[in-house]
Amino acid sequence: NAGVTQTPKFRVLKTGQSMTLLCAQDMNHEYMYWYRQDPGMGLRLIHYSVGEGTTAKGEVPDGYNVSRLKKQNFLLGLESAAPSQTSVYFCASSYSYGGPKNQPQHFGDGTRLSIL
Amino acid sequence: EDQVTQSPEALRLQEGESSSLNCSYTVSGLRGLFWYRQDPGKGPEFLFTLYSAGEEKEKERLKATLTKKESFLHITAPKPEDSATYLCAVRMAGNMLTFGGGTRLMVKP
Repeated sequence: NAGVTQTPKFRVLKTGQSMTLLCAQDMNHEYMYWYRQDPGMGLRLIHYSVGEGTTAKGEVPDGYNVSRLKKQNFLLGLESAAPSQTSVYFCASSYSYGGPKNQPQHFGDGTRLSIL
Repeated sequence: EDQVTQSPEALRLQEGESSSLNCSYTVSGLRGLFWYRQDPGKGPEFLFTLYSAGEEKEKERLKATLTKKESFLHITAPKPEDSATYLCAVRMAGNMLTFGGGTRLMVKP
């Protein structure tokens, strides 16, 4: 069982370039999330989705867009990359809140993104 | 505003030296508190969920406890392989998590 898979693992972009980060989960989870992790800031929620075809803003959504066309995939896009978006990006998935009570969010191993 | 604060930011222990990590929170209606372990270059790995004050969970050398305002992760006789960053998070409405900044634990042989 792969769990949550993120691609690519590393990427270097120039300011102004665009790219898409892909997250795939094989656990049939309804909810999916994108976080960024920066030194001293902890994990911060960018966007999330409560089901196929839905998306919502998290704590730090500016400069990012997302799409959830299929239940198993959640895409994070940067339309015009800025140096402030240099970070490690993590995707996670979980059952809905109404699902099994003790089910946590499961995380991928991250995408390390540098914007020059 | 919901807040989660972890202390200390970093902790160095000798192998076998027991200690505790703290996670204090201010939330309106706790819907669950989660502990994760994160190794360098990896994503957070789930350890425990706690729901109500007085609840305790154990796994090998780790024990998590919960009060109305804070949670502790007790590490008994740690080994070098316990070295990692430990993250605490509280669940908000709709299964969203708010994370603390983490405690980086280093256990020396």
